[in-house]
Amino acid sequence: DQQVKQNSPSLSVQEGRISILNCDYTNSMFDYFLWYKKYPAEGPTFLISISSIKDKNEDGRFTVFLNKSAKHLSLHIVPSQPGDSAVYFCAASFNSGYALNFGKGTSLLVTP
Amino acid sequence: ETGVTQTPRHLVMGMTNKKSLKCEQHLGHNAMYWYKQSAKKPLELMFVYSLEERVENNSVPSRFSPECPNSSHLFLHLHTLQPEDSALYLCASSPDAVGETQYFGPGTRLLVL
Repeated sequence: DQQVKQNSPSLSVQEGRISILNCDYTNSMFDYFLWYKKYPAEGPTFLISISSIKDKNEDGRFTVFLNKSAKHLSLHIVPSQPGDSAVYFCAASFNSGYALNFGKGTSLLVTP
Repeated sequence: ETGVTQTPRHLVMGMTNKKSLKCEQHLGHNAMYWYKQSAKKPLELMFVYSLEERVENNSVPSRFSPECPNSSHLFLHLHTLQPEDSALYLCASSPDAVGETQYFGPGTRLLVL
């Protein structure tokens, strides 16, 4: 049973606008959340993470928001750039566990 | 070389072949992982090694055999695979095995005929 879900397989955004990628999880015991970006023919690249004790983490153009009561996190990219076009994976883990539990990914296309 | 490297990048093998995938990390990490990504499925953890000791085996068939000779190298030995084993195999490493950000290699695209 999939514990991390990305319900939008794709998203298209105009350059300069905000991209919002969403992720839902079912296991309330997850305490560490990550976003990875993946280009074709490459492995996932770590982008940004957030611990369950926070509700927001910002790094440059990327901000991750965590809503624990809703078991929901989102990644905001502002402003979006064509180079941001990639597949974005949400992942969650337990601080006591080995595995990253991944969503299926959302393909973001940023158009000029 | 920096980061996590994997060879080969692409592999085609028959069901009776024996082949090995290699992963090397240049990050000084203590933990290494094998993941499998099949089409339209999320990444699935296969094996975890911490300080060269296997600490997790996620119900993976015995036709996949991992080996970790030291903390920088990880192998996945393949034999008598099935066509449904065709997938992208990703290696990752992290500073320690528990609760850490993992850094991925580029993957090996495997096709079993």
